[in-house]
Amino acid sequence: DTGVSQNPRHKITKRGQNVTFRCDPISEHNRLYWYRQTLGQGPEFLTYFQNEAQLEKSRLLSDRFSAERPKGSFSTLEIQRTEQGDSAMYLCASSLEQLGVQYFGPGTRLTVL
Amino acid sequence: AQTVTQSQPEMSVQEAETVTLSCTYDTSESDYYLFWYKQPPSRQMILVIRQEAYKQQNATENRFSVNFQKAAKSFSLKISDSQLGDAAMYFCAYRRAGGGSEKLVFGKGTKLTVNP
Repeated sequence: DTGVSQNPRHKITKRGQNVTFRCDPISEHNRLYWYRQTLGQGPEFLTYFQNEAQLEKSRLLSDRFSAERPKGSFSTLEIQRTEQGDSAMYLCASSLEQLGVQYFGPGTRLTVL
Repeated sequence: AQTVTQSQPEMSVQEAETVTLSCTYDTSESDYYLFWYKQPPSRQMILVIRQEAYKQQNATENRFSVNFQKAAKSFSLKISDSQLGDAAMYFCAYRRAGGGSEKLVFGKGTKLTVNP
């Protein structure tokens, strides 16, 4: 059990570029969550998957954001046409069951110049 | 919508002393879960303690315990015998139980400093 991993750990991009982040959950965890954390704030929920099905999306997830979990294992979060306001830490978490504990990864810190 | 409020942006404690972090929440649900997560500097968030709303007994994990007051919608965290490694951001979080949303709703956090 290696825990939740996220790549890259840091990403610097220019405004208008597209970026993609990857999350590998704990093996056998069927639930995967994405959160965004800005400086001085707690994490805010973006979306979650049960296996490959995306079951809930926050209003924070604008049309420029898309998340996938094609085979029910790893997940990707893509941001198109990045804006400076997208600068944040993007956290991934996974859990084994519906009411299970959510285990967090180290996050991907995005800086949009 | 559920909200979580942590009214103490920063707290400090002397090593070996006890400190209590406050959290209040607002919900119309009767069944839910409450959590305290710890986020050390530049490290990932880890669960400290969890409380099921239907349980009257306060949860305890080693030096960490909670005071859960359901009627007052209050959920404080007590850290006993504070250690230098306890220094971190602490986040209180809420999640509804049963069907529907599985998202965690977090407060803004409390930065805990432990002084040697």
